[in-house]
Order: sequence, then structure tokens, then C-alpha cells
Amino acid sequence: QVTLKESGPGILQPSQTLSLTCTFSGFSLSTYGMGVGWIRQPSGKGLEWLANIWWDDDKYYNPSLKNRLTISKDTSNNQAFLKITNVDTADTATYYCARRGITLDYWGQGVMVTVSS
Amino acid sequence: DIAITQSPSSVAVSVGETVTLSCKSSQSLLYSENNKDYLGWYQQKPGQTPKPLIYWATNRHTGVPDRFTGSGSGTDFTLIISSVQAEDLADYYCEQYFVYPLTFGSGTKLEIK
Repeated sequence: QVTLKESGPGILQPSQTLSLTCTFSGFSLSTYGMGVGWIRQPSGKGLEWLANIWWDDDKYYNPSLKNRLTISKDTSNNQAFLKITNVDTADTATYYCARRGITLDYWGQGVMVTVSS
Repeated sequence: DIAITQSPSSVAVSVGETVTLSCKSSQSLLYSENNKDYLGWYQQKPGQTPKPLIYWATNRHTGVPDRFTGSGSGTDFTLIISSVQAEDLADYYCEQYFVYPLTFGSGTKLEIK
């Protein structure tokens, strides 16, 4: 059974760094073809892809976030991570991690992040 | 970047009717080496996490009812929901995974009359 769960700070202030953790089970990020993606969704709005990391440590980022993103993984502990530097109110959203084989076939429940002073 | 345009932005149908949702890409999503279209569809019910429906434009994920049908190739794709049920009330998103950055459409909201 594949499960994913995101964790994060809940609330942070502008200019801080957002650190998110995705803890998963039922698959391994060392398996050929496996990946984890991060996606966010502001309240009432659509989905925005942020970053992917693959089994071979290949990483891809959404350039619209202008080099603020860093994705990484800990294969031994079945975790993936996303950092977003210099956050502002526009980064307020629900953040999801999801397994990517072909498409995003298993999603976490999401974690709400609010950026506010 | 590949732009994905979904239409309509919202649609209301009665239970039992058929509805067609459109997803258009600014570039072809067809990879000639394997003849696959790199497009997926997702359903997001109110207050819930997105759920995968379709991959490779036409293949249903496990457990997806056969009233959901994906079709199209190249730049034009559709999701047809036959005999709509009340439980199909949701936002529907398409996503291209052909090239980075991956992009989603803005979604279609399906409402039940």
C-alpha cells in the first residue's frame, strides 16, 4: 500500500525558508523509474507543479520560482524534501507531494502553509 | 513552456448526462519514438486531494470507472464523462508531462444541476 504524508511548519514569516518533508511508504525512491513530485495549490485556485526528484537523483524545477527551490531525498528513510527560500505571501498554499511513475499516481493529504508577518 | 488550456472553466450537467471536457496544448505531446501522448487527467473533489484518472491520454488508472474516457492526440484532448453521477462533482485538471516544466491546465469545474 502506497502512502505519502507531508509535514511542514504551518506558518512562517516573509523572507524565511520553507522546509517541507514528504514521508512515504509502499515504494522506494531507489527503484528504477520512481520519482516524487511537489505540487502546490493556493486556496480556491489550481495546481502548480514545483519540482521532481527521480530514483537516479535527477532533479527538475519550475523556473517560475526563480532558483528558490531545492529538492532532495533520503532513500534510506523513505523521505523527500523541498526547500523554498525567501518566501512571501504568494507562497501561501497547500503543498502536496506525490509519487510519479508515469503520472502522479499517489498523493499525500497535503500540508497547509501560510506566509504572514 | 507548454501552455495547457482547459475549457470550459465550468459546466453544469444533470445526472445521467454526458459531458465533454477539453484540454489543448500549445505544443504536441506525442512522442514519435513510442507513439504515446504525455498527458494525464486528475479529479479533485471538494476538500479532497487530486486523484489520477487517465495517463498516456487514454488509459484509465486502476479503479477508475469506465464512464471516464480519455481521448485525443497531439495537441487536442478530451475527457468524456458518460452518465454523470452526483459523485462526479469535482474539478478536473489535465497535465502535460512531455517536457519540463510540467504544466497543469487551469481546470474545469463540473457542477451537478
